[in-house]
Amino acid sequence: QVQLVESGGGVVQPGRSLRLSCAASGFRFSSYGMHWVRQAPGKGLEWVAVISYDGNNKYYADSVKGRFTISRDNSKNTLYVQMNSLRAEDTAKYYCVKDVRTEAADLDYWGQGTLVTVSS
Amino acid sequence: AIQLTQSPSSLSASVGDRVTITCRASQGVSSGLAWYQQKPGKPPNLLIYDASNLKSGVPSRFSGSGSGTDFTLTISSLQPEDFATYYCQQFNSFPLTFGQGTRLEIK
Repeated sequence: QVQLVESGGGVVQPGRSLRLSCAASGFRFSSYGMHWVRQAPGKGLEWVAVISYDGNNKYYADSVKGRFTISRDNSKNTLYVQMNSLRAEDTAKYYCVKDVRTEAADLDYWGQGTLVTVSS
Repeated sequence: AIQLTQSPSSLSASVGDRVTITCRASQGVSSGLAWYQQKPGKPPNLLIYDASNLKSGVPSRFSGSGSGTDFTLTISSLQPEDFATYYCQQFNSFPLTFGQGTRLEIK
């Protein structure tokens, strides 16, 4: 069965960096678009970024553009997001999410999430 | 960015009720819309894809309809396990966006 396991979350000071990882299994990772979606405590869902199946296309939310970089290693079945210049408003649970298609469409499998807290 | 507005934002209903949640897009998204259910402390779960298609394994009491700017999620007969928060999401254009959520509570 599809499994998505995020790691790398924690407490970080404003302005610092953090890299999240997502280990995927149970499906052909290299065939699907992959996303990061976040949810601040007690708030709704916010889409963060997507990377196409081959890594050639990447799109970002305006709120993270220029600060976050999504990437993938299809040989390791792993998705990443490098988060720089972190702000308090980036505090959220970050979900790794599989797309149903090669780039961006419906989101059919979600990890359990990893919590990022940006605080001094 | 395309804005999605869900109504109502919260709803109280009883087991067995028929419930409809609407999602209105600020511009047309064709059929590029999905619906998700989220329970407390859990990740969202895809219910409806491409506006009207039921994901395999999702109970048939859930249905979706609409295209363009107006969409609905209907639960034909509420069950106890359906009390949760529901989100719509569009993927017609970047950035992808979610509605603000509809919290469905027990009356």
